[in-house]
Amino acid sequence: DTAVSQTPKYLVTQMGNDKSIKCEQNLGHDTMYWYKQDSKKFLKIMFSYNNKELIINETVPNRFSPKSPDKAHLNLHINSLELGDSAVYFCASSQRGGVGQYFGPGTRLTVT
Amino acid sequence: AQTVTQSQPEMSVQEAETVTLSCTYDTSESNYYLFWYKQPPSRQMILVIRQEAYKQQNATENRFSVNFQKAAKSFSLKISDSQLGDTAMYFCAFGLTQGGSEKLVFGKGTKLTVNP
Repeated sequence: DTAVSQTPKYLVTQMGNDKSIKCEQNLGHDTMYWYKQDSKKFLKIMFSYNNKELIINETVPNRFSPKSPDKAHLNLHINSLELGDSAVYFCASSQRGGVGQYFGPGTRLTVT
Repeated sequence: AQTVTQSQPEMSVQEAETVTLSCTYDTSESNYYLFWYKQPPSRQMILVIRQEAYKQQNATENRFSVNFQKAAKSFSLKISDSQLGDTAMYFCAFGLTQGGSEKLVFGKGTKLTVNP
């Protein structure tokens, strides 16, 4: 019974392609997030959605577009992939602010 | 803007001993949350412990405890009776609530190795 799941876990693609990462949580949480972890392990928030509404939208290239079809799902679509997009992308969820977040297993994206 | 600093990139400890990981942060906010997350080699991010800034009492979770010094903006993590499974990257995080969300700012992490 995975709490926060992501697919795929690994993604290798070429520059210029478009790809999507899917995230689902079965915890009944209201809020979901996307984070990027770079090669030096630095973790930075990208987006958050609360009940399908975009709340946090950090300085992220507009090639990245989150989509939340319902509060249990938050997908990340990336257009025109660049070498610098190579990273591990984590999805997370929380019931509300201040209680901490449950993270998915991460998706390692490699752009060649 | 908030910043989180973890001054120890790497640490090691012998099994069964105690180790303390340092974290300082900078903010002008008065209501916030602080967290420690663990990332073992499996890559999974795991919440270890949380602290509400308005609470003076230090949080504890089994072998994990924090020393929260609000005036000094310091939030260290103490791991007692270290176990091999504690080997991981440890990230300190500062959190602010925003529209039902929780915006976390992470430090750069401390890589902890527990030696047998």
